[in-house]
Amino acid sequence: DAGVIQSPRHEVTEMGQEVTLRCKPISGHNSLFWYRQTMMRGLELLIYFNNNVPIDDSGMPEDRFSAKMPNASFSTLKIQPSEPRDSAVYFCASSLEGTSKVRDGYTFGSGTRLTVV
Amino acid sequence: SQQGEEDPQALSIQEGENATMNCSYKTSINNLQWYRQNSGRGLVHLILIRSNEREKHSGRLRVTLDTSKKSSSLLITASRAADTASYFCATKGSSNTGKLIFGQGTTLQVKP
Repeated sequence: DAGVIQSPRHEVTEMGQEVTLRCKPISGHNSLFWYRQTMMRGLELLIYFNNNVPIDDSGMPEDRFSAKMPNASFSTLKIQPSEPRDSAVYFCASSLEGTSKVRDGYTFGSGTRLTVV
Repeated sequence: SQQGEEDPQALSIQEGENATMNCSYKTSINNLQWYRQNSGRGLVHLILIRSNEREKHSGRLRVTLDTSKKSSSLLITASRAADTASYFCATKGSSNTGKLIFGQGTTLQVKP
């Protein structure tokens, strides 16, 4: 397996523009997580899905953020409109929850570095 | 709010020495995990210890868990320059809901 694949790796956009981040989880994993990492706030869980259903979106900062998981192999995180304070590295991770495989922990993608100017 | 808090925030040692990082948390957990992050990369899972376990080993890694003190430690023995990275502890709540909360991390520098 190629691991968790995120795209793009880097995104520079102007304030007010829409940004879409993409994630392909590991085949067979049933849970997907979006995290945001900044120096000030560390790693924050934004939202997670189980079997493609959003379970907890309490970490989504505001209505400008939305996430979807239309099928087991794809998820998007959208920011509209983007603001400079959204600049961060966004990570997607997947895991197989509820089985003995949970001992393998989460598998993270390489992240998307977002810069909003 | 963050569940785990690592101590120290930064650690610098010589190659061959042991490195110990500590993690404290606030609420009951199902398990605690340690991850490594190299600069500019994603996190890599190192080891998971369940709430009913006290110690786990994996190669040069040793993890302990003290649920009475709500703390864990990660020991890296015979460190190498390649161990230079940030190390994070993460906790999953006792309800085992799948939500993993990360601490702020310890930055480890191993000098050759």
